[in-house]
Amino acid sequence: KAGVTQTPRYLIKTRGQQVTLSCSPISGHRSVSWYQQTPGQGLQFLFEYFSETQRNKGNFPGRFSGRQFSNSRSEMNVSTLELGDSALYLCASSLAPANTEAFFGQGTRLTVV
Amino acid sequence: KQEVTQIPAALSVPEGENLVLNCSFTDSAIYNLQWFRQDPGKGLTSLLLIQSSQREQTSGRLNASLDKSSGRSTLYIAASQPGDSATYLCVRQGGSEKLVFGKGTKLTVNP
Repeated sequence: KAGVTQTPRYLIKTRGQQVTLSCSPISGHRSVSWYQQTPGQGLQFLFEYFSETQRNKGNFPGRFSGRQFSNSRSEMNVSTLELGDSALYLCASSLAPANTEAFFGQGTRLTVV
Repeated sequence: KQEVTQIPAALSVPEGENLVLNCSFTDSAIYNLQWFRQDPGKGLTSLLLIQSSQREQTSGRLNASLDKSSGRSTLYIAASQPGDSATYLCVRQGGSEKLVFGKGTKLTVNP
């Protein structure tokens, strides 16, 4: 059974550009959530999707957005990149939004120069 | 604000030692408490999940307990090995933020 797949694994972008990250959850899982991990702030919640609907959103600016497709795959987009957006972006997959075990992908390492 | 605190932030032990990692959370109205390990630059690997109705879970050399009344969880690692070296994250599940993470305990097991 395949795990959570995130692509790409590594990305280098320049300030002002935009980026799209992809997450394919475990087969059968319909809930996908995104997190940003930085050395200073630790892991912070970005947003959560279930059945193509955004259920919750963390405290991030509107430059961060996401969506979920009918096959449960999810994408997150960051526009007008800033240096501070450099981080490891992690995606978690679970059967349902609550009361279920979360499984993480290997992450996408984004570097903004 | 829902918070999760992990103590200690870092721990270095000789191989073979038994050790305890601590986690405390401010909101006892949790759904689940999950422990992960993270190797440098990698994603998170789920170790144990304790549902809110449970008090502990065991997997191999790992045992995790949950005390909702005191807002605490512990991860016990028996007979530690160098391969256990990683950062261990305690994660509270419940409420609007989906998962709330502690800052982690960086464990080093020396051969």
